[in-house]
Amino acid sequence: GQQLNQSPQSMFIQEGEDVSMNCTSSSIFNTWLWYKQDPGEGPVLLIALYKAGELTSNGRLTAQFGITRKDSFLNISASIPSDVGIYFCAGGYGNKLVFGAGTILRVKS
Amino acid sequence: GAVVSQHPSRVICKSGTSVKIECRSLDFQATTMFWYRQFPKQSLMLMATSNEGSKATYEQGVEKDKFLINHASLTLSTLTVTSAHPEDSSFYICSALDRVVGSEQFFGPGTRLTVL
Repeated sequence: GQQLNQSPQSMFIQEGEDVSMNCTSSSIFNTWLWYKQDPGEGPVLLIALYKAGELTSNGRLTAQFGITRKDSFLNISASIPSDVGIYFCAGGYGNKLVFGAGTILRVKS
Repeated sequence: GAVVSQHPSRVICKSGTSVKIECRSLDFQATTMFWYRQFPKQSLMLMATSNEGSKATYEQGVEKDKFLINHASLTLSTLTVTSAHPEDSSFYICSALDRVVGSEQFFGPGTRLTVL
């Protein structure tokens, strides 16, 4: 089946630093999405990407849909304590989504 | 915005009993809903796709007789875990596709199932 490789697995950074995480796959996806999940809750959509090469920003977040359609990255600039959580990438094919393993982000103030 | 609710938010049951989890789209109609399972510190794994008025389609390795899905209306899908066992303990999350917009899955808050 389709699988996504998400890295890094976890990050422990200083408040104010920039963060970068990415997902790669051997499969092509039609969409790439980035979600944040807080403990005991469902994932919340941060950014959705629909076209290869697309670069989209949402506040301090920036994400890109790789030109090969097999990868995507998410950058968070000037991290703040509330950025703590688990970030998931998801590749979309048809109506379905395949999720990466997640990146645990911890921020020390 | 589009809101998806799940009920109950958490349930504890004895081994061998059945548990029903509801997923509702509150302010939109969803012809398609999805059920995911998430074990601790792991990712979301798609279990099945639920289509209104038709049988659900299950992902490979998911037992359809154990995880019964009913999508009887455009705003409600239910997942019943039959004869639950401790290994079924997990976080179950549903999502719904807006019938009109159709391109984004809206996720529910999840249901924590603990089987004793």
